[in-house]
Amino acid sequence: QSVLTQPPSASGTPGQRVTISCSGSSSNIGSNYVYWYQQLPGTAPKLLIYSNNQRPSGVPDRFSGSKSGTSASLAISGLRSEDEADYYCSTWDDSLSGPGVFGGGTKLTVL
Amino acid sequence: EVQLVESGGGLVQPGGSLRLSCIVSGFTFSSYEMNWVRQAPGKGLEWVSYISSRGTTIYYADSVKGRFTISRDNAKNSLYLQMNSLRAEDTAVYYCARSYGDYESALGYWGQGTLVTVSS
Repeated sequence: QSVLTQPPSASGTPGQRVTISCSGSSSNIGSNYVYWYQQLPGTAPKLLIYSNNQRPSGVPDRFSGSKSGTSASLAISGLRSEDEADYYCSTWDDSLSGPGVFGGGTKLTVL
Repeated sequence: EVQLVESGGGLVQPGGSLRLSCIVSGFTFSSYEMNWVRQAPGKGLEWVSYISSRGTTIYYADSVKGRFTISRDNAKNSLYLQMNSLRAEDTAVYYCARSYGDYESALGYWGQGTLVTVSS
């Protein structure tokens, strides 16, 4: 059971805008940056968003991140078939003595 | 080009040990924080361990604390994960990952992963 809660699944049709939520608490999302990762089937995860809303070079601006209080969201606009993947949010948790934490992941299906 | 290549995975019996290695190239290894992240078959990601650039700060997930040891050799551009007292629930693909620029909590570069299977 992760300290970050994501919906297990999401879906959309090509061209649509979809959002994936990530809910936490004051000790994690509420006081730390949020990161988002995309994992295509059979591949290693890829950093999609860092510091709540920044995109690494090469990530299309169709992907955007936001944070408000103890929740964060990843939005994907102009949905494409190649966006079908698992998406994970991540952050640090100040109440834990370990490294960062991940959400349980959201499987995005492009209908 | 940044490259991270893991090795050392395989089949091991419960209670056994394994040492994973991650050899990197394409960047100044000694300048970056490194991490191990694992993914059990069909499951989500779990952040296993973190080590600072000089090895002075180390974190472990509670699930591996006391059994796993992360280390690095900056002269050999290598990251390690010594895994002892392995359990069935440690079965997973293990990825090494590097921080993204100055953002030490952002895992910007990943290896291809190495599979560890704990079974009798």
